[in-house]
Amino acid sequence: NAGVTQTPKFQVLKTGQSMTLQCAQDMNHNSMYWYRQDPGMGLRLIYYSASEGTTDKGEVPNGYNVSRLNKREFSLRLESAAPSQTSVYFCAIETGLRVSNSPLHFGNGTRLTVT
Amino acid sequence: AQKITQTQPGMFVQEKEAVTLDCTYDTSDQSYGLFWYKQPSSGEMIFLIYQGSYDEQNATEGRYSLNFQKARKSANLVISASQLGDSAMYFCAMREASGYSTLTFGKGTMLLVSP
Repeated sequence: NAGVTQTPKFQVLKTGQSMTLQCAQDMNHNSMYWYRQDPGMGLRLIYYSASEGTTDKGEVPNGYNVSRLNKREFSLRLESAAPSQTSVYFCAIETGLRVSNSPLHFGNGTRLTVT
Repeated sequence: AQKITQTQPGMFVQEKEAVTLDCTYDTSDQSYGLFWYKQPSSGEMIFLIYQGSYDEQNATEGRYSLNFQKARKSANLVISASQLGDSAMYFCAMREASGYSTLTFGKGTMLLVSP
């Protein structure tokens, strides 16, 4: 999937546990994104990073933190997981030069269940 | 306010028939991009087609075409000669060109193609 690797593929957490979702690209693109997908809700943006060293909140950032470790890696951290964070998480990269006509390419997703 | 509206939660079509998936959007920008993605049951997000707001011709990619009606703010996806493999969830998305805008998704339409 356009060189976007997400780990892990599946994870089950108990309420209150923490974890980090990893995303790495094997290209040199500036912008990286984290989305969550819930049934009937489409994809909603959690956080994004327009370039190395910058991060910004999206539509649903509460309960999450992110780190743009370097140009290749963008991680999403849940400090104290809640059942409401049960979801499928997608990392995406932007592959074009212009913002408005650049499609995002997605990783295969991480399916997270919080019990 | 919801920027992308997909009014059809589910659609059924017979193999070899054409099907139109509806998408309306809301923006005050003059410059923006419209995207369609496919998500099969395996879960990956596949970029299908792009239409720019200034493009005079409707976009086409193989069996996919985008029926773009700017005045009505609609960007419907047309799939010609449906195949069983077209059964999937389809998402419409939009990105405005002003500032640093991110990709906003609709809630999706589930398409089922029957033999």
